Amino acid sequence: AQSVAQPEDQVNVAEGNPLTVKCTYSVSGNPYLFWYVQYPNRGLQFLLKYITGDNLVKGSYGFEAEFNKSQTSFHLKKPSALVSDSALYFCAVKGTYKYIFGTGTRLKVLA
Amino acid sequence: KAGVTQTPRYLIKTRGQQVTLSCSPISGHRSVSWYQQTPGQGLQFLFEYFSETQRNKGNFPGRFSGRQFSNSRSEMNVSTLELGDSALYLCASSSLPAEPYEQYFGPGTRLTVT
Repeated sequence: AQSVAQPEDQVNVAEGNPLTVKCTYSVSGNPYLFWYVQYPNRGLQFLLKYITGDNLVKGSYGFEAEFNKSQTSFHLKKPSALVSDSALYFCAVKGTYKYIFGTGTRLKVLA
Repeated sequence: KAGVTQTPRYLIKTRGQQVTLSCSPISGHRSVSWYQQTPGQGLQFLFEYFSETQRNKGNFPGRFSGRQFSNSRSEMNVSTLELGDSALYLCASSSLPAEPYEQYFGPGTRLTVT
């Protein structure tokens, strides 16, 4: 069965510091992986995806993610965090006629 | 291009009642998925529709049902509401089976059952 795991419920980081939000996956075959962000009282917004190709993918708002096949990970990163990045982040993998989402990681960027 | 729209945005219902939520996908998208989001359970998949056919269903009781119309608009219905049905219900559309594969989400309908 396909699944994703986000091991951290919350990540705190100081503004200006690099941030990492972790995601690991379990799929059979080649994974299609996604990151979404959710601001309070809003739906999810697409940030970036890995389908094939370069292991480092760049997305919206300066975010990037590194696909690591040997570690089955797809961690979200940003070189310099902003207070406005504070939100709930979800990792997801595409299954058959459905997407499987992680439990979410709350990112708090401290001024 | 207009985004995914959901109506209503907020609903308050009483236990035992039923409710219908509506979703209009992005123009051209034929795949529509529904999710239930609660603080304790995270994002739970309800069902996915494509060209008026339900192709996948999550692990929810039969009180939860849905349908899709020929214009790809979708509705979901919850009958005999329970307190535990209080949640944010999210609709998402995508261009599946074609690329790009990412889903686009609506703002959600906040359902409160009292």
